[in-house]
Amino acid sequence: EAQVTQNPRYLITVTGKKLTVTCSQNMNHEYMSWYRQDPGLGLRQIYYSMNVEVTDKGDVPEGYKVSRKEKRNFPLILESPSPNQTSLYFCASSFSGSLSEQYFGPGTRLTVT
Amino acid sequence: SQQGEEDPQALSIQEGENATMNCSYKTSINNLQWYRQNSGRGLVHLILIRSNEREKHSGRLRVTLDTSKKSSSLLITASRAADTASYFCATRGGSNYKLTFGKGTLLTVNP
Repeated sequence: EAQVTQNPRYLITVTGKKLTVTCSQNMNHEYMSWYRQDPGLGLRQIYYSMNVEVTDKGDVPEGYKVSRKEKRNFPLILESPSPNQTSLYFCASSFSGSLSEQYFGPGTRLTVT
Repeated sequence: SQQGEEDPQALSIQEGENATMNCSYKTSINNLQWYRQNSGRGLVHLILIRSNEREKHSGRLRVTLDTSKKSSSLLITASRAADTASYFCATRGGSNYKLTFGKGTLLTVNP
Protein backbone atom coordinates (compact mmCIF):
# COMPACT_ATOMS: atom_id res chain seq x y z
CA GLU A 1 0.00 0.00 0.00
CA ALA A 2 1.31 3.41 -0.98
CA GLN A 3 1.84 5.43 2.15
CA VAL A 4 3.80 7.96 4.16
CA THR A 5 4.63 6.87 7.69
CA GLN A 6 5.72 9.00 10.61
CA ASN A 7 7.08 8.07 13.99
CA PRO A 8 6.37 8.67 16.73
CA ARG A 9 2.71 9.63 16.45
CA TYR A 10 2.69 11.30 19.85
CA LEU A 11 5.60 12.71 21.82
CA ILE A 12 5.88 14.67 25.03
CA THR A 13 9.33 15.98 25.80
CA VAL A 14 11.12 18.66 27.77
CA THR A 15 12.81 21.84 26.63
CA GLY A 16 16.25 21.28 25.22
CA LYS A 17 16.13 17.52 24.75
CA LYS A 18 17.04 16.71 21.16
CA LEU A 19 14.52 14.68 19.23
CA THR A 20 13.98 13.27 15.77
CA VAL A 21 10.70 12.61 14.01
CA THR A 22 11.09 10.08 11.23
CA CYS A 23 9.27 10.11 7.92
CA SER A 24 9.33 7.43 5.26
CA GLN A 25 7.52 6.97 1.95
CA ASN A 26 7.29 3.91 -0.28
CA MET A 27 6.22 5.59 -3.53
CA ASN A 28 9.67 6.48 -4.87
CA HIS A 29 8.77 10.17 -4.68
CA GLU A 30 11.54 12.68 -5.25
CA TYR A 31 9.90 15.48 -3.30
CA MET A 32 9.31 15.44 0.45
CA SER A 33 8.25 18.14 2.84
CA TRP A 34 7.55 18.91 6.49
CA TYR A 35 4.69 21.07 7.74
CA ARG A 36 3.49 22.19 11.10
CA GLN A 37 -0.14 22.91 11.84
CA ASP A 38 -1.23 25.30 14.56
CA PRO A 39 -4.73 26.57 15.43
CA GLY A 40 -5.53 29.76 13.55
CA LEU A 41 -2.32 29.59 11.51
CA GLY A 42 -3.10 26.71 9.19
CA LEU A 43 -0.40 24.56 7.64
CA ARG A 44 3.04 26.10 7.34
CA GLN A 45 5.97 24.56 5.51
CA ILE A 46 9.14 23.98 7.54
CA TYR A 47 11.57 22.40 5.07
CA TYR A 48 11.36 20.57 1.79
CA SER A 49 13.60 18.35 -0.27
CA MET A 50 13.64 18.09 -4.05
CA ASN A 51 15.81 14.98 -4.08
CA VAL A 52 18.51 13.14 -2.17
CA GLU A 53 20.96 15.57 -0.56
CA VAL A 54 18.93 18.59 -1.78
CA THR A 55 16.93 20.47 0.84
CA ASP A 56 15.68 24.02 1.27
CA LYS A 57 13.92 26.16 3.83
CA GLY A 58 10.20 26.63 3.88
CA ASP A 59 8.37 29.45 5.63
CA VAL A 60 9.19 28.53 9.26
CA PRO A 61 12.58 26.73 9.37
CA GLU A 62 13.97 28.25 12.59
CA GLY A 63 14.74 25.64 15.23
CA TYR A 64 14.55 22.68 12.82
CA LYS A 65 17.00 20.64 10.78
CA VAL A 66 16.43 18.03 8.11
CA SER A 67 18.50 15.61 6.10
CA ARG A 68 17.82 13.53 2.99
CA LYS A 69 20.39 10.79 2.72
CA GLU A 70 18.03 8.29 1.11
CA LYS A 71 15.14 8.89 -1.24
CA ARG A 72 12.55 7.28 1.02
CA ASN A 73 13.45 8.97 4.32
CA PHE A 74 13.25 12.59 5.44
CA PRO A 75 13.71 12.98 9.20
CA LEU A 76 12.92 16.19 11.05
CA ILE A 77 15.36 17.07 13.81
CA LEU A 78 14.75 19.44 16.72
CA GLU A 79 18.19 20.03 18.25
CA SER A 80 16.91 21.99 21.25
CA PRO A 81 13.12 21.93 21.36
CA SER A 82 11.25 24.83 22.92
CA PRO A 83 7.60 25.15 23.99
CA ASN A 84 6.76 27.21 20.88
CA GLN A 85 7.49 24.11 18.83
CA THR A 86 4.53 22.34 20.40
CA SER A 87 2.47 21.55 17.34
CA LEU A 88 1.05 18.93 15.00
CA TYR A 89 3.63 17.95 12.39
CA PHE A 90 2.99 16.43 8.99
CA CYS A 91 5.35 14.90 6.50
CA ALA A 92 4.30 14.79 2.85
CA SER A 93 5.71 13.49 -0.41
CA SER A 94 4.95 13.88 -4.11
CA PHE A 95 6.40 13.21 -7.54
CA SER A 96 7.12 16.83 -8.35
CA GLY A 97 6.65 19.41 -5.64
CA SER A 98 3.75 21.77 -6.13
CA LEU A 99 3.08 20.35 -9.60
CA SER A 100 1.47 17.17 -8.31
CA GLU A 101 -0.67 15.94 -5.45
CA GLN A 102 0.86 15.56 -2.03
CA TYR A 103 0.57 12.40 0.04
CA PHE A 104 0.48 13.13 3.76
CA GLY A 105 1.55 11.10 6.74
CA PRO A 106 -0.79 10.65 9.71
CA GLY A 107 0.85 13.37 11.78
CA THR A 108 2.99 13.62 14.90
CA ARG A 109 1.61 15.52 17.86
CA LEU A 110 4.52 17.04 19.75
CA THR A 111 4.30 18.68 23.15
CA VAL A 112 7.36 20.45 24.57
CA THR A 113 7.13 21.36 28.26
CA SER B 1 3.29 33.82 3.62
CA GLN B 2 -0.27 32.74 2.90
CA GLN B 3 -0.98 32.28 -0.79
CA GLY B 4 -4.45 30.72 -0.68
CA GLU B 5 -7.23 31.93 1.59
CA GLU B 6 -10.45 29.98 2.04
CA ASP B 7 -13.85 31.48 2.61
CA PRO B 8 -15.91 31.02 4.70
CA GLN B 9 -13.87 29.97 7.72
CA ALA B 10 -16.72 27.77 8.91
CA LEU B 11 -19.84 26.39 7.26
CA SER B 12 -22.66 24.40 8.83
CA ILE B 13 -25.30 22.69 6.67
CA GLN B 14 -27.84 19.89 6.78
CA GLU B 15 -27.25 16.51 5.23
CA GLY B 16 -28.35 16.50 1.61
CA GLU B 17 -27.58 20.18 1.03
CA ASN B 18 -24.78 21.43 -1.17
CA ALA B 19 -21.66 23.05 0.32
CA THR B 20 -19.59 25.66 -1.48
CA MET B 21 -16.18 26.82 -0.35
CA ASN B 22 -14.05 29.46 -2.00
CA CYS B 23 -10.33 30.04 -2.28
CA SER B 24 -8.55 33.19 -3.37
CA TYR B 25 -4.86 33.42 -4.14
CA LYS B 26 -2.40 36.17 -4.95
CA THR B 27 0.19 35.18 -7.54
CA SER B 28 0.41 33.09 -10.69
CA ILE B 29 -0.15 29.37 -10.33
CA ASN B 30 0.54 26.15 -12.22
CA ASN B 31 -2.35 24.42 -10.52
CA LEU B 32 -4.60 24.65 -7.49
CA GLN B 33 -5.26 21.71 -5.22
CA TRP B 34 -7.98 20.93 -2.71
CA TYR B 35 -7.44 18.74 0.34
CA ARG B 36 -9.64 17.40 3.12
CA GLN B 37 -8.59 16.88 6.72
CA ASN B 38 -10.60 14.96 9.26
CA SER B 39 -9.99 16.23 12.76
CA GLY B 40 -6.33 15.87 13.73
CA ARG B 41 -5.49 13.52 10.88
CA GLY B 42 -3.38 13.78 7.76
CA LEU B 43 -4.60 15.72 4.75
CA VAL B 44 -6.10 13.79 1.86
CA HIS B 45 -5.87 15.06 -1.69
CA LEU B 46 -9.22 15.65 -3.41
CA ILE B 47 -8.70 17.38 -6.74
CA LEU B 48 -5.93 19.11 -8.68
CA ILE B 49 -7.03 21.62 -11.31
CA ARG B 50 -4.46 23.03 -13.71
CA SER B 51 -4.26 26.70 -14.60
CA ASN B 52 -5.56 26.04 -18.14
CA GLU B 53 -8.64 24.21 -16.85
CA ARG B 54 -11.86 25.92 -15.81
CA GLU B 55 -13.80 23.10 -14.20
CA LYS B 56 -13.16 19.62 -12.92
CA HIS B 57 -15.38 16.93 -11.42
CA SER B 58 -14.74 13.99 -9.16
CA GLY B 59 -17.78 12.13 -7.87
CA ARG B 60 -19.81 14.61 -5.80
CA LEU B 61 -17.05 17.22 -6.00
CA ARG B 62 -16.90 20.03 -8.50
CA VAL B 63 -14.01 22.48 -8.62
CA THR B 64 -13.91 25.65 -10.69
CA LEU B 65 -10.97 27.91 -11.35
CA ASP B 66 -11.06 31.52 -12.52
CA THR B 67 -7.50 32.68 -13.10
CA SER B 68 -8.63 36.20 -14.04
CA LYS B 69 -10.11 36.60 -10.56
CA LYS B 70 -7.45 34.44 -8.91
CA SER B 71 -10.12 32.33 -7.27
CA SER B 72 -11.41 28.78 -7.07
CA SER B 73 -14.46 27.15 -5.59
CA LEU B 74 -15.15 23.66 -4.30
CA LEU B 75 -18.72 22.41 -4.44
CA ILE B 76 -19.77 19.29 -2.58
CA THR B 77 -23.19 18.13 -3.71
CA ALA B 78 -25.68 16.10 -1.66
CA SER B 79 -23.49 16.37 1.44
CA ARG B 80 -23.26 13.59 4.02
CA ALA B 81 -22.31 13.60 7.68
CA ALA B 82 -19.06 11.90 6.66
CA ASP B 83 -18.12 15.03 4.69
CA THR B 84 -17.62 16.85 8.00
CA ALA B 85 -13.98 17.96 7.86
CA SER B 86 -11.71 20.91 7.17
CA TYR B 87 -11.06 21.72 3.53
CA PHE B 88 -7.90 23.43 2.33
CA CYS B 89 -6.79 24.88 -0.95
CA ALA B 90 -3.11 24.84 -1.86
CA THR B 91 -1.17 26.64 -4.53
CA ARG B 92 2.37 27.10 -5.73
CA GLY B 93 4.08 29.30 -3.17
CA GLY B 94 6.83 31.18 -4.99
CA SER B 95 8.53 28.22 -6.64
CA ASN B 96 7.55 24.85 -8.04
CA TYR B 97 8.90 23.28 -4.88
CA LYS B 98 6.77 25.18 -2.42
CA LEU B 99 3.12 24.42 -1.88
CA THR B 100 1.30 26.95 0.28
CA PHE B 101 -1.92 26.10 2.08
CA GLY B 102 -4.74 28.34 3.20
CA LYS B 103 -6.14 28.22 6.73
CA GLY B 104 -9.07 26.07 5.68
CA THR B 105 -12.85 25.97 5.85
CA LEU B 106 -14.39 23.87 8.60
CA LEU B 107 -17.46 22.15 7.17
CA THR B 108 -19.99 20.60 9.52
CA VAL B 109 -22.73 18.48 7.99
CA ASN B 110 -25.56 17.86 10.44
CA PRO B 111 -27.48 14.58 10.11
